[in-house]
Amino acid sequence: AQTVTQSQPEMSVQEAETVTLSCTYDTSESDYYLFWYKQPPSRQMILVIRQEAYKQQNATENRFSVNFQKAAKSFSLKISDSQLGDAAMYFCAYRQSGAGSYQLTFGKGTKLSVIP
Amino acid sequence: GAVVSQHPSRVICKSGTSVKIECRSLDFQATTMFWYRQFPKQSLMLMATSNEGSKATYEQGVEKDKFLINHASLTLSTLTVTSAHPEDSSFYICSARYRVGSEAFFGQGTRLTVV
Repeated sequence: AQTVTQSQPEMSVQEAETVTLSCTYDTSESDYYLFWYKQPPSRQMILVIRQEAYKQQNATENRFSVNFQKAAKSFSLKISDSQLGDAAMYFCAYRQSGAGSYQLTFGKGTKLSVIP
Repeated sequence: GAVVSQHPSRVICKSGTSVKIECRSLDFQATTMFWYRQFPKQSLMLMATSNEGSKATYEQGVEKDKFLINHASLTLSTLTVTSAHPEDSSFYICSARYRVGSEAFFGQGTRLTVV
């Protein structure tokens, strides 16, 4: 079974600074998807960024980028120029690719605080 | 991105009654919908996966007779908590996917309080 581990229950960052959230996963599959979701106090799950395992290039979405190390099964999220609105719970998630109703497997989350 | 609407956002019900939560994909046809439960300060726990027109697949430990899931159309799935008890109080979230391999989009969630 796939597992996703987020080893940092809480993190804090100064506004405008950069922070990196860690995520490791375990799988025997070679093709899969990895995601970072943000859950603000409203509790709406928002997709931040997505990475396909077969792509070597790290995904980037504006201030958000990932460091995907497939051999190490590591998928960290870097938030640059942190803003107050970035404060939220961040969940790393894994999903197997291919035909089938494969569900997301979530990590336990990292609570990010942004200090003004 | 695609929009998933979940209703109601909050509901309070009396112990022993049933409550229905709706999950609608507003601008796409959802072939697969997922129902999650989230306890305070915890991650999302998958309850069941439902495919349009077929019975839901429940995760181990989830009572299928208590949490009834219906996915009768490509845009609507419902979760009915039957004979609710205070321990069923939680935050329930649905997500929908419109084709195999695509990402899933989440509803706003429903906070259920059983008194």
